[in-house]
This record gives sequence, structure tokens and C-alpha cells, in this order.
Amino acid sequence: SQQGEEDPQALSIQEGENATMNCSYKTSINNLQWYRQNSGRGLVHLILIRSNEREKHSGRLRVTLDTSKKSSSLLITASRAADTASYFCATDVDDYKLSFGAGTTVTVRA
Amino acid sequence: DTAVSQTPKYLVTQMGNDKSIKCEQNLGHDTMYWYKQDSKKFLKIMFSYNNKELIINETVPNRFSPKSPDKAHLNLHINSLELGDSAVYFCASRQGNTGELFFGEGSRLTVL
Repeated sequence: SQQGEEDPQALSIQEGENATMNCSYKTSINNLQWYRQNSGRGLVHLILIRSNEREKHSGRLRVTLDTSKKSSSLLITASRAADTASYFCATDVDDYKLSFGAGTTVTVRA
Repeated sequence: DTAVSQTPKYLVTQMGNDKSIKCEQNLGHDTMYWYKQDSKKFLKIMFSYNNKELIINETVPNRFSPKSPDKAHLNLHINSLELGDSAVYFCASRQGNTGELFFGEGSRLTVL
């Protein structure tokens, strides 16, 4: 079974609104990463948060990590049409194995 | 210059055939991967090689055989293709310091 599970499966928002998606995982991790996948393309790395960090920012992205609840959230502020994509969390359990979920599909309406 | 490139981008073939997908990375990374993405977008790790050595082999049928001739290349050969093999296959390489993965654009395999 997969390590990370994103919630919700799909999200539709108006341009300018914020989008929040969550990721829950099952076992202890070294770090957690978020990736974006545009339709028909490969995944692109967005941000990495280590197990000893609680919050991280990158531009309009804000990631939180709660290791006691085994969960993470990704917030995209002031969304744009170009943010329409699928977003995946990936958990780094050991040095080489990065496990993904099925992603959250975000649609930003103009 | 594409960092991780995989070919072909599309493959359409009949059940029972054998096919290969090639992957090359020019990032100088030691570790490369094959992932399978199904129709529900779930991304599942298949194999990983570190410096030409197999380090991860998830429960993948023996019909799938990876080969790494050098650390910049990781190919995937699939024998006796089945309908359930239809998916998008992604190659990725790993940056050693951060653990960040760099993905290719994917190879969409359709088995008829």
C-alpha cells in the first residue's frame, strides 16, 4: 500500500483564492517532498521539508509538517490559472526510496 | 538541454509483444528510478539503481527487466506485454544531497 495519501482527490477554486491540500503517511520519515505534475508531463519538485522542520515557505507555497500526526499540508496562496495541475506528496523513508500517493488534482478557474 | 530524457514518448503495441523504454540523465546523479503511473495517477516505484547496481526491486513481475549500462542510463525492457501493463512509465534521477527527484516526461505505453 502507498505511504502517502493526499486529500482531497480534487479541488476546484477561483483564481486568486488559496488552495490547501493535505498528505497523510504511515511510517516515520526522513523528509517529505511535494511535487507538481502538469497534464501529460513529468513531475517537478516544489519543496522539501525535513522531519525536524515544522513549516517551510517558497514563494506562494507554504508547507507544514506534523510528525506526531504523520501529516503535511501544502498551501498555494493567490492561485493562478498556471497552478492548475496535480500535486503529490512523497515520503522519504530511507535513503533511496521515495513513495508517492495518487495526488490532488487542482483546477484554478479564471 | 533536457536533464532526464526518455524514449519513446508513446508506445502502442499488441499483447504478447516485447518492448523497451530508454532513459538517460545528464545531471551526474548516481541513482536512477523507474516509476509506473496508473490511470488513477497513483505513482508506484518499480526499480532503482545506484551506480549501476540494483538497490530497489519492488514486487514487479519478472517480465520487467531493468538494465543500467552506466550510471547515466537506465533502460526498462518488458516481455510478453499484458493489458494491465498499460500505464505511463517515468524515469527519474536523484540528487544525492537533497534527495530531490528529477523526472523525465514519461513514456505512455498502451497494450491492445
